[in-house]
Amino acid sequence: QSVLTQPPSVSAAPGQKVTISCSGSSSNIGVNYASWYQQLPGAAPKLLIYDNNKRPSVIPDRFSGSKSGTSATLAITGLQTGDEADYYCGTWDSNLSVWIFGGGTKLTVL
Amino acid sequence: EVRLVESGGALVQPGGSLRLSCAASGFTFSDQYMDWVRQAPGKGLEWVARSRKKAKSYSTEYAASVRGRFTISRDESKNLLYLQMNSLKTEDTAVYYCAREMGSWGQGTLVTVSS
Repeated sequence: QSVLTQPPSVSAAPGQKVTISCSGSSSNIGVNYASWYQQLPGAAPKLLIYDNNKRPSVIPDRFSGSKSGTSATLAITGLQTGDEADYYCGTWDSNLSVWIFGGGTKLTVL
Repeated sequence: EVRLVESGGALVQPGGSLRLSCAASGFTFSDQYMDWVRQAPGKGLEWVARSRKKAKSYSTEYAASVRGRFTISRDESKNLLYLQMNSLKTEDTAVYYCAREMGSWGQGTLVTVSS
């Protein structure tokens, strides 16, 4: 059971928008930055979003992040079949002094 | 260009030891936090250990599941990050990734603990 809670799966049609939530607590997302990672089948994780809402330069602006209180959200617009992957949120937990991940969300583009 | 290359993964018996290495290039190694993250077959990501930057005395943190068995360390002169794994258990079977500031990741190295 993960400290950060994500839905196990989400799905949407090509071209549509999907959001993935990540629920934490006052000791992790509530006081630290959230990051989001994409893991394509058979590949290493790739950073999509850091510091809640910043994108590395190589990440298209179809991907965006936000944070409110103790929850973070990843939004993906203009869905493509190539976006089918597992998505993980992560952050530091200041009480536990550990990095924590959500359980992961499998995105299916129908 | 940031580059991280893990090595050292192998098949090892329960109770055995193994040392993983991560060769880092393209950035100032001593100025960055470095982590080990693992992923068991078909499972999610699990953070394992952290080595803070030199200015933070390379202080370390560990996941509860590996504390006392695993040790993270660096060789600053060689830009190498290590993970010494002792008293290995079957549940330590996973692909192990090193990561820079939880941003850039290597390709991973497979550790299999089995008799």
